[in-house]
Amino acid sequence: DAKTTQPPSMDCAEGRAANLPCNHSTISGNEYVYWYRQIHSQGPQYIIHGLKNNETNEMASLIITEDRKSSTLILPHATLRDTAVYYCIVRDPFGGGATNKLIFGTGTLLAVQP
Amino acid sequence: DVKVTQSSRYLVKRTGEKVFLECVQDMDHENMFWYRQDPGLGLRLIYFSYDVKMKEKGDIPEGYSVSREKKERFSLILESASTNQTSMYLCASRNDRVGTEAFFGQGTRLTVV
Repeated sequence: DAKTTQPPSMDCAEGRAANLPCNHSTISGNEYVYWYRQIHSQGPQYIIHGLKNNETNEMASLIITEDRKSSTLILPHATLRDTAVYYCIVRDPFGGGATNKLIFGTGTLLAVQP
Repeated sequence: DVKVTQSSRYLVKRTGEKVFLECVQDMDHENMFWYRQDPGLGLRLIYFSYDVKMKEKGDIPEGYSVSREKKERFSLILESASTNQTSMYLCASRNDRVGTEAFFGQGTRLTVV
């Protein structure tokens, strides 16, 4: 079972920031937060990950609360091409072998409106 | 460019047929995964493999088996296809290093009639 909960859908106006929340209240100390997105008819694509500090790359920013029980993915200037399902996942990257499962939930469908 | 290739984009099979879905990765990744995706249910893990000949059940393994005889290839087998196995099937691979994440194939849309 997925260890995260996300709203099923969100809307965002083109050019505005999209803030996608994720709850992971049972996250353990070794587990990182990962975000993927899936554009229609394509396989999911990795976006960003973090442990406890905020992270930024060319695609997005990740804000993790101090207690690590929730996080927010920020797309600073959403475009129509950002319309996709966004998945938040937690996992321990140091676990080997059988612990390397990658479990997705149902994600958030972000619809960017013109 | 890294690549995960699934053998078919679209497949139509009859009920009761044995179906093989093939996935090949060219990144020397240790871990490979099979998911199915259905409307409203997200991505559900069927099986994954963390090494050659090693496999672990995911959340929905019933009706499926897998084979990993070589590191680059991970096969999903439907022993006797049924209509409730009509779905989009996605393969992924990932290495063991921290900070690198999974790469997905384009998916196989399987219809069982």
